Amino acid sequence: AQSVTQPDIHITVSEGASLELRCNYSYGATPYLFWYVQSPGQGLQLLLKYFSGDTLVQGIKGFEAEFKRSQSSFNLRKPSVHWSDAAEYFCAVGAEGGSYIPTFGRGTSLIVHP
Amino acid sequence: DGGITQSPKYLFRKEGQNVTLSCEQNLNHDAMYWYRQDPGQGLRLIYYSQIVNDFQKGDIAEGYSVSREKKESFPLTVTSAQKNPTAFYLCASLGTFFGELFFGEGSRLTVL
Repeated sequence: AQSVTQPDIHITVSEGASLELRCNYSYGATPYLFWYVQSPGQGLQLLLKYFSGDTLVQGIKGFEAEFKRSQSSFNLRKPSVHWSDAAEYFCAVGAEGGSYIPTFGRGTSLIVHP
Repeated sequence: DGGITQSPKYLFRKEGQNVTLSCEQNLNHDAMYWYRQDPGQGLRLIYYSQIVNDFQKGDIAEGYSVSREKKESFPLTVTSAQKNPTAFYLCASLGTFFGELFFGEGSRLTVL
């Protein structure tokens, strides 16, 4: 069964600092990997996704993520955080075949200090 | 604009009442999902439907029911059997390519 671990419940950074949110997954083959962002009281918005090819993927709002098969990781990065990036971030994994049921991590809450 | 519409955004219910949350999509997607979100617990799958007139239980289906009579609509009923229904509910549909989910804005249910 597939699973996703986001080891950090909260991350606090200063505005302008770099950011890295960790995500580890468990799945036998190459999965589809996603990062979503959620503002308070809102739905989730897709930041970026990986399914094949270049292991460094670019997303919206200046985010990027790197797929590392050897570490079963898909960490999200941003070189310079803006106050508007404060939100909840979810990593998710999906796979082809049968019923498609994406699995989500528990989320990481990003706090941005001015 | 294409998207998913959930209503109502806020709903208050007395104990013992059933309530129905609406989810409508105009994206022409086949598969739709209902998730429950509680603080610190991420998203937990309640029900999903891959096609009209078919749906499957997720991890926490007890106390909930759904229907899928039309491709565009996937309403969720929270029954009086659900012991702790206060939560944020999210509806999603599955995009055509590579497993991306499209989410509605959510419905917050509070039991008084």
